[in-house]
Amino acid sequence: NAGVTQTPKFQVLKTGQSMTLQCAQDMNHEYMSWYRQDPGMGLRLIHYSVGAGITDQGEVPNGYNVSRSTTEDFPLRLLSAAPSQTSVYFCASSYFGTGNTGELFFGEGSRLTVL
Amino acid sequence: AQKITQTQPGMFVQEKEAVTLDCTYDTSDPSYGLFWYKQPSSGEMIFLIYQGSYDQQNATEGRYSLNFQKARKSANLVISASQLGDSAMYFCPSGAGSYQLTFGKGTKLSVIP
Repeated sequence: NAGVTQTPKFQVLKTGQSMTLQCAQDMNHEYMSWYRQDPGMGLRLIHYSVGAGITDQGEVPNGYNVSRSTTEDFPLRLLSAAPSQTSVYFCASSYFGTGNTGELFFGEGSRLTVL
Repeated sequence: AQKITQTQPGMFVQEKEAVTLDCTYDTSDPSYGLFWYKQPSSGEMIFLIYQGSYDQQNATEGRYSLNFQKARKSANLVISASQLGDSAMYFCPSGAGSYQLTFGKGTKLSVIP
């Protein structure tokens, strides 16, 4: 199984440019999330989704948009990149059901630099 | 909202010794989960162990055990018989749902040969 796949792994943008970080999971998980990790910090929740067509804001949603048209995909869009969005981004998914261990499965991360 | 506090920015442990990483949380959620994740220098997030707030027994997973004290709101990770490969950042996120976790700043563990 591929698990959670993020693309691209590295990206450099100029201030004001837009881009989309892609996230796909093949585990039929209902729940998906986007986090960012800044140097010396833990992860902070940007947006999350509890199912196709349902999204909600996390702790740091400003400057980011998400959508969930399918169970598998949860893209993160930066509308107008700013240097403050330089970070490592993690997509994650989890399954809610009987016997759920609670594990959140993470992608490998995407390192974004905004100049 | 949850708040996670990891009071040890850095820890050292001798190889083959046991080590305890501290974690306290503050939440008003009646039901929540507590996790420990390891992040090596390569950057990926590796799941170690999970404890539900209503679980009666402390979770264990191989060399990892979670010392859960609900009244004190603490969920410390105990690693027995430390190995060089245990050197990494360790995070103890928590949340009412696994899709909505709050992270602390982490503890950097260094295992000394």
